[in-house]
Amino acid sequence: DIRLTQSPSSLSASVGDRVTITCRASLDINNFLNWYQQKPGEAPKLLIYAASTVQTGVPSRFSGSGFGTDFTLTISSLQPEDFAIYYCQQSFGHPQLTFGGGTKVEIK
Amino acid sequence: QVTLKQSGPELVKPTETLTLTCSVSGFSLRNARMGVSWIRQPPGKALEWLAHISASDEKSYKSSLKDRLSISKDTSESQVVLTMTNMDPADTATYFCARRTRFRAVVSGDAFDMWGQGTMVTVAS
Repeated sequence: DIRLTQSPSSLSASVGDRVTITCRASLDINNFLNWYQQKPGEAPKLLIYAASTVQTGVPSRFSGSGFGTDFTLTISSLQPEDFAIYYCQQSFGHPQLTFGGGTKVEIK
Repeated sequence: QVTLKQSGPELVKPTETLTLTCSVSGFSLRNARMGVSWIRQPPGKALEWLAHISASDEKSYKSSLKDRLSISKDTSESQVVLTMTNMDPADTATYFCARRTRFRAVVSGDAFDMWGQGTMVTVAS
């Protein structure tokens, strides 16, 4: 199975900060990489698909980039509602789909 | 409005079989660009994909759990069912169903765009 390694596992940031989360795949997955946001007690929410396409309704401060094995999720100006856990997920290895270990974004 | 509504037990005993149902509305299980997966999340841990069923009834399972999992659908009832046999305390988790969509505009657009509310399943005697 394709392994996805996220870094950091957690970070502390302030409102207004620029935040970057990295996801590294164990092999080349082209751009078959998605990002999700999960708040406590809720189901995950799709933010970005195909590495850089922002899902409808997601604020423009969220962006994604990368290709091959290295991917990045960026929040350009962190807002109070963005404190959550973020997961990457790959679909290149279909039918075996995998998620990263998550990155918790906390308030500094 | 697209919704996925889950039902099933919150407590099962070790060795028992878990059966979870995902009732969908707002889209058809016949839609070739859409399928339904089950995903779980142990308390405080990451998401883990378990199984998927496509519009054409193609089924796939997580390799390490395939002997215990079964996924099926009733298209007329708009329901997808997951069964997991021989439950163990290590299977304690929140179980989600999710719609997996292949987005037309991007070849690699293949993601879980709608989710059920989750069912916290505890395995204990």
